[in-house]
Amino acid sequence: DGGITQSPKYLFRKEGQNVTLSCEQNLNHDAMYWYRQDPGQGLRLIYYSQIVNDFQKGDIAEGYSVSREKKESFPLTVTSAQKNPTAFYLCASSIGGRGVVRQFFGPGTRLTVL
Amino acid sequence: EDKVVQSPLSLVVHEGDTVTLNCSYEVTNFRSLLWYKQEKKAPTFLFMLTSSGIEKKSGRLSSILDKKELFSILNITATQTGDSAVYLCAVEVDSNYQLIWGAGTKLIIKP
Repeated sequence: DGGITQSPKYLFRKEGQNVTLSCEQNLNHDAMYWYRQDPGQGLRLIYYSQIVNDFQKGDIAEGYSVSREKKESFPLTVTSAQKNPTAFYLCASSIGGRGVVRQFFGPGTRLTVL
Repeated sequence: EDKVVQSPLSLVVHEGDTVTLNCSYEVTNFRSLLWYKQEKKAPTFLFMLTSSGIEKKSGRLSSILDKKELFSILNITATQTGDSAVYLCAVEVDSNYQLIWGAGTKLIIKP
C-alpha cells in the first residue's frame, strides 16, 4: 500500500533533549512537509522540501531542523532550542511542482515534553 | 499578510441535520482552495476548488467557491455521527509552494 508513515506515534522528551521524528513515504512524491498542530489552531508549516538535498524554512522553523538525503525520507529534529515543543506533528507529501498541491498526510506524532 | 479564517470554530448538531461550514480568505495570488477532514490523526482530502460557482460534490458533502467574495462553503446534508471531525480549509497561493491553513471547524454530531 502506498502512503506515509510516521514514527513514533507518541514521544516523550525531557527538557534539554533533542528528538528526531521519522517520516517516510512510498508515493514517489518529490515534495515533503512538516507541520505542527496545537489545540484550536490550524496547521503551521515548520519546514518543506521540494527536492532531495534541498529544503526551506516555513513559518515556525526556529528550534527545528530537517534533512532530505533521500526522496522518501524527511526526518524532523526538535532541538532543545524549541521552547514549547509539546504538540502534534504531521508530515505530508505531494507530487510537487506548480499547481499540484494536494497533500497526503501521515498519521502524526504526538510529542510531549516532561 | 495572507490569512484564512474558518467559522464557526465549533458546531454541535443532531444526526440528520444539515450543516454549512465557512472558509474566508485574504491572500495575494490565489490559486486554489482545499478542504480536508481530520478525525483523529491524518487529515484526509475532500475537495479542491479553483473556479467560482462550480459545485464539487461527493455523496452528502458538497462545496462551492466564490472568488469575488473570497469564501468557500462546505455543506454536509443528512449528517451522521461519522461526520464528527475537524474540517480544515487551506488556500494555495501562487507565490510559493505552501498552503495557508485555517484553524478548522470542530463538528460534533449527536445521535
